[in-house]
Amino acid sequence: DAEITQSPRHKITETGRQVTLACHQTWNHNNMFWYRQDLGHGLRLIHYSYGVQDTNKGEVSDGYSVSRSNTEDLPLTLESAASSQTSVYFCASSPGTSGGSHYEQYFGPGTRLTVT
Amino acid sequence: KNQVEQSPQSLIILEGKNCTLQCNYTVSPFSNLRWYKQDTGRGPVSLTIMTFSENTKSNGRYTATLDADTKQSSLHITASQLSDSASYICVVTLVMPGANNLFFGTGTRLTVIP
Repeated sequence: DAEITQSPRHKITETGRQVTLACHQTWNHNNMFWYRQDLGHGLRLIHYSYGVQDTNKGEVSDGYSVSRSNTEDLPLTLESAASSQTSVYFCASSPGTSGGSHYEQYFGPGTRLTVT
Repeated sequence: KNQVEQSPQSLIILEGKNCTLQCNYTVSPFSNLRWYKQDTGRGPVSLTIMTFSENTKSNGRYTATLDADTKQSSLHITASQLSDSASYICVVTLVMPGANNLFFGTGTRLTVIP
């Protein structure tokens, strides 16, 4: 069955370190997204991609970067981790083109990141 | 400002009882509204989607309603089960295309107790 996976599921890192969170989907979806989820906030969009070699900044992109070298993967990199980036991170994908906002987004299980 | 507000923030009900969750939005122009269920430690999963012209959509024991005039939606859960314990998130989409046109509520945390 097609799915979307994230790794690691839990990560503890120190301030200033570079961290990469992996996201892999087998739906063959063009659109992929990264969100963070914090108490008191709805899911907030970090970066998104409409296809290979395409990346775009979302609402809270400072301190994060992504790259899309194939359809299946969209890794999220924290260049220099900060305590404010302690959060739960969700990757999602959807069919269609140009964001496919009228299609359902399929979410991964999340990665809980703690920056000490 | 485009916003989505949900109430209550949390709710505890007895197994077998019904409940209703609320979602008010100011997002305009409106395209569609989804309700997602998010189990603890899992990603959100879509329950229903409604467009401007729809005012009711059911998915098993879940029934969503939409009043586009008052910009309100509700999610009614019938005969609750322990497995309904989760957060329920309302997501409203703008008409214009693009990933930045989704607005997420902060969710209602539902706990069903035996």
